[in-house]
Amino acid sequence: DQQVKQNSPSLSVQEGRISILNCDYTNSMFDYFLWYKKYPAEGPTFLISISSIKDKNEDGRFTVFLNKSAKHLSLHIVPSQPGDSAVYFCAARGNAGNMLTFGGGTRLMVKP
Amino acid sequence: DGGITQSPKYLFRKEGQNVTLSCEQNLNHDAMYWYRQDPGQGLRLIYYSQIVNDFQKGDIAEGYSVSREKKESFPLTVTSAQKNPTAFYLCASSLYGGEANEAFFGQGTRLTVV
Repeated sequence: DQQVKQNSPSLSVQEGRISILNCDYTNSMFDYFLWYKKYPAEGPTFLISISSIKDKNEDGRFTVFLNKSAKHLSLHIVPSQPGDSAVYFCAARGNAGNMLTFGGGTRLMVKP
Repeated sequence: DGGITQSPKYLFRKEGQNVTLSCEQNLNHDAMYWYRQDPGQGLRLIYYSQIVNDFQKGDIAEGYSVSREKKESFPLTVTSAQKNPTAFYLCASSLYGGEANEAFFGQGTRLTVV
C-alpha cells in the first residue's frame, strides 16, 4: 500500500510557464516533506522541503505548498526552464527517525 | 570534500552469483539507506541502518543482506535468492533524529544480470 503517491507519471510544460507537480500521502504521522530532483543514471538531489507546521516554503523559483487536511502537497516551479527537465520525487518522513518514504516520481519535460 | 560514494557505477552479475555494492560516506551521518529504482518506478527501501551494528529491513529486503560494522560504510549484498536483481541501486545517508535533515544520495550503481 503506497503511503506516498504521485499520480501523474509525466508532465510537459512550455518554457517560462508554471510547472505544478502534485503529491498525496496517507500517513498522518508524516511530519516533514521533501522534493528531490533526479537526472538519469544519477542519484537524487535535494530540492526543497517543508515541515508539517507550515503550509508554504519558497526558495527562488521553487515553492512547496502543504495542505494537511487534504494530505496533499505540491511543488510549483516558476518560471520553468529546460534545465528543470528531470524526474521529481516527493518524499515524506515519519516522526520516528529520518527514514524517507518516496512517491513514484513525475517526469517533467520543459519544452523550449 | 564531504559526500557519499557508491562503487562500482556499473556491475554485471551472472545468474546464481552474489555481488556486493559498496557505499561509503564521510558526512558523519548516523543513518544509511539502500533504495532500489526500477524503470518508471519510484525508490523502494531495501534496508536501513540508524546506528552501527544495527539495521532494519525495508519494504523489499528479500534476497538482500547488509552489514554496518563502521559508521562510514553500509555495503549491500545482492544474493542469488534475489529473483530480479537488475535495477539501479541508490545508497543514501542522513543525520538521525532531531531536526529534520534531508538524505544525501550517492550516484548509484546499475546492476545487470547477464
